[in-house]
Amino acid sequence: GQQVMQIPQYQHVQEGEDFTTYCNSSTTLSNIQWYKQRPGGHPVFLIQLVKSGEVKKQKRLTFQFGEAKKNSSLHITATQTTDVGTYFCAGSAQGAGTASKLTFGTGTRLQVTL
Amino acid sequence: DTGVSQNPRHKITKRGQNVTFRCDPISEHNRLYWYRQTLGQGPEFLTYFQNEAQLEKSRLLSDRFSAERPKGSFSTLEIQRTEQGDSAMYLCASSFGRTTGANVLTFGAGSRLTVL
Repeated sequence: GQQVMQIPQYQHVQEGEDFTTYCNSSTTLSNIQWYKQRPGGHPVFLIQLVKSGEVKKQKRLTFQFGEAKKNSSLHITATQTTDVGTYFCAGSAQGAGTASKLTFGTGTRLQVTL
Repeated sequence: DTGVSQNPRHKITKRGQNVTFRCDPISEHNRLYWYRQTLGQGPEFLTYFQNEAQLEKSRLLSDRFSAERPKGSFSTLEIQRTEQGDSAMYLCASSFGRTTGANVLTFGAGSRLTVL
């Protein structure tokens, strides 16, 4: 079945440093979504990418979808303590239709200290 | 409407007992998903509904698990003869399914199950 892996599993940075998490799927995706889960909370939708090579920005966050639609990345510039949490990518397998399930990645936990 | 609501928030049960969780989705959402999450892992897909129809169920899901969405609104997830390995957070999510594009999921706060 479809597998979605993320690296690194955990990263600890000092406030102001940059952070990047990478997402790799075993199968071609029709789209990729990113979610953030704060400690003790539930996943919250951040963004969706659909087109090959697409890049989207949300303030300090930059999201990229690979040309082959099998990988994605999230880059945070100048991290803040409010960025703490676990970041998950989630994808739908290509050809599975819009009603298919989202398969979540293994997640990257980000810790930010002053 | 304040979002996806799940009850109970916490459930502690003894091995072998049955438990049932309820999810009330966002009212205008036609799709409802159940995921399971254990500590340090990503949400694992269990099953999903479009309106009242259960369209997909994980092959990894034991026959002890059953879900219903009888009127296309709220859903229940029942686990029979619970085992310690069932201990996890059970997350419900809903979405509005369009004819094109993927679903954006809105998650509830989850129901945490502890099996002793």
